[in-house]
Amino acid sequence: KAGVTQTPRYLIKTRGQQVTLSCSPISGHRSVSWYQQTPGQGLQFLFEYFSETQRNKGNFPGRFSGRQFSNSRSEMNVSTLELGDSALYLCASSFGQPGAYEQYFGPGTRLTVT
Amino acid sequence: AQSVAQPEDQVNVAEGNPLTVKCTYSVSGNPYLFWYVQYPNRGLQFLLKYITGDNLVKGSYGFEAEFNKSQTSFHLKKPSALVSDSALYFCAVNPDGRSSGSARQLTFGSGTQLTVLP
Repeated sequence: KAGVTQTPRYLIKTRGQQVTLSCSPISGHRSVSWYQQTPGQGLQFLFEYFSETQRNKGNFPGRFSGRQFSNSRSEMNVSTLELGDSALYLCASSFGQPGAYEQYFGPGTRLTVT
Repeated sequence: AQSVAQPEDQVNVAEGNPLTVKCTYSVSGNPYLFWYVQYPNRGLQFLLKYITGDNLVKGSYGFEAEFNKSQTSFHLKKPSALVSDSALYFCAVNPDGRSSGSARQLTFGSGTQLTVLP
């Protein structure tokens, strides 16, 4: 079974631009979560989607948004990029809503904002 | 809100020796506990989880973890370390199904870098 895929793997943007990251979950998984990983803040939860509905959101500004499509694929968007948005963005999928279900992570998208 | 503490940023152990990576947690209600491992330039990989039942949980690659409710701990262990075990290890907690809404998000510890020396 194919794992979680994320595109692109690497991205360089300038301040003020916007970016869209894509995630394809494992087949059959309906929940997709997004995390931001930085050396200073560690792993921080962004949001979680289940059956096209945002079920949970972390403590991030409104510049961070996402959506999930009917095939469970998900995208996240960051508008008006800031230098502090430079991070590894990880997508994870699970069969059910995160709780007892373990999550399967993609390799991440490395975003660099200059 | 739930939280996870991994008190050691770095753990060094000689190959063949037992290893322990510590984790303590705080959560309302009963916890769902997880360990994940991250290799350089990779996403996280699931190792094991505790949901209910036996306090000793066995997982991938020979790892195990012991749930201790009174000490609110979930330490990761392996009887004999391998050089290939060197990686970044994350403990994570989620409250059980009786919690709802924003409380039900997976919260990660800060990570412990494990180095196994040959």
